[in-house]
Amino acid sequence: KQEVTQIPAALSVPEGENLVLNCSFTDSAIYNLQWFRQDPGKGLTSLLLIQSSQREQTSGRLNASLDKSSGRSTLYIAASQPGDSATYLCAGNGDNDMRFGAGTRLTVKP
Amino acid sequence: DAGITQSPRHKVTETGTPVTLRCHQTENHRYMYWYRQDPGHGLRLIHYSYGVKDTDKGEVSDGYSVSRSKTEDFLLTLESATSSQTSVYFCASSFRQGALSGANVLTFGAGSRLTVL
Repeated sequence: KQEVTQIPAALSVPEGENLVLNCSFTDSAIYNLQWFRQDPGKGLTSLLLIQSSQREQTSGRLNASLDKSSGRSTLYIAASQPGDSATYLCAGNGDNDMRFGAGTRLTVKP
Repeated sequence: DAGITQSPRHKVTETGTPVTLRCHQTENHRYMYWYRQDPGHGLRLIHYSYGVKDTDKGEVSDGYSVSRSKTEDFLLTLESATSSQTSVYFCASSFRQGALSGANVLTFGAGSRLTVL
């Protein structure tokens, strides 16, 4: 059974700082790993999807990496802004469903 | 609107009453999912559907049933609501699942907050 863990559960940083969010998974037999953003009271918005054959994906200030052998993925946010404040979730995609981590709640202080 | 709409967005009910949550998608996606989100647990899959009238259980399916009579609609039913089913419920859809991962990006609805007293 796939278990997905995200550390830390919460993170607070000053504006402009570069930061890394961590995601670990127990079953390396995933087809892809996806990072989502969730704003309070809202649904999830897909940020990046890394296929199992890829090592990383980039979108603007976001860079996500995937290391299947170690069961880890990271989401790097460059030059953080207050608008980046949200909860970030990762999810590993297997045959039948996606398993989600509990998320990291990020606060970027002006 | 394109995407996924969920109804109702908020509902308060009493223990023992039946509840149906509705999900409607305009993406023409084959796969649809119901998740519940609880503090400290992330999202957990309740049921999913891989086509009209084709459904299967997820991780936390006890106490829930689903139906899919049309591609665009996926209903989640709590036959007799309990306080442990107080949660935020999210519907999602995707074009494909699993190995064909390139088209597996999930689209989520805004959620339905259910409180069972």
